[in-house]
Amino acid sequence: GNSVTQMEGPVTLSEEAFLTINCTYTATGYPSLFWYVQYPGEGLQLLLKATKADDKGSNKGFEATYRKETTSFHLEKGSVQVSDSAVYFCALSFSGSARQLTFGSGTQLTVLP
Amino acid sequence: EADIYQTPRYLVIGTGKKITLECSQTMGHDKMYWYQQDPGMELHLIHYSYGVNSTEKGDLSSESTVSRIRTEHFPLTLESARPSHTSQYLCASKYEGGLDEQFFGPGTRLTVL
Repeated sequence: GNSVTQMEGPVTLSEEAFLTINCTYTATGYPSLFWYVQYPGEGLQLLLKATKADDKGSNKGFEATYRKETTSFHLEKGSVQVSDSAVYFCALSFSGSARQLTFGSGTQLTVLP
Repeated sequence: EADIYQTPRYLVIGTGKKITLECSQTMGHDKMYWYQQDPGMELHLIHYSYGVNSTEKGDLSSESTVSRIRTEHFPLTLESARPSHTSQYLCASKYEGGLDEQFFGPGTRLTVL
């Protein structure tokens, strides 16, 4: 079956540090890949996505590139802010699949001033 | 503004009570989902719906039930709440045929004493 493996947290960084959260997937075929973010006390929001190999998703300074050869979709940001503190989820889906999203286990990020 | 709403946001109840968690969306989405989020943050799909009068069980077995009488409304009911039902419940929706993104509500945090 399909699965997503995320880097275990929690991750604690100082403001302006470089962020990488690793995500790899197992799937038959070529899924779409997503990063969702969950701020404290809120639901999930789509952060970025990529629908085919070599696509780069980007939003709010975050980037992730769909790497088919390594089945990875690592999240990066060059300079994190305190406001980036949240839980980040990697996910995959196949178009037409009723159940849609398969999530990773989430990575808690805390950014200290 | 199109959105997805969940009520209540927080609920504390005693064992044995019947409860209904409300979820409504104003986007006209066909597919809707309920996720249970455990304290370790992992998300588990418990119910989903393709459209009106369609409901299916998700990956995680749940004692809750759902109904879909109207497109915009997807309530979740627990006939007799127990402490093991204590969790965060997230509702989501997606447009049939659109991109794979799911839109999430803010969640209901349920505590059963």
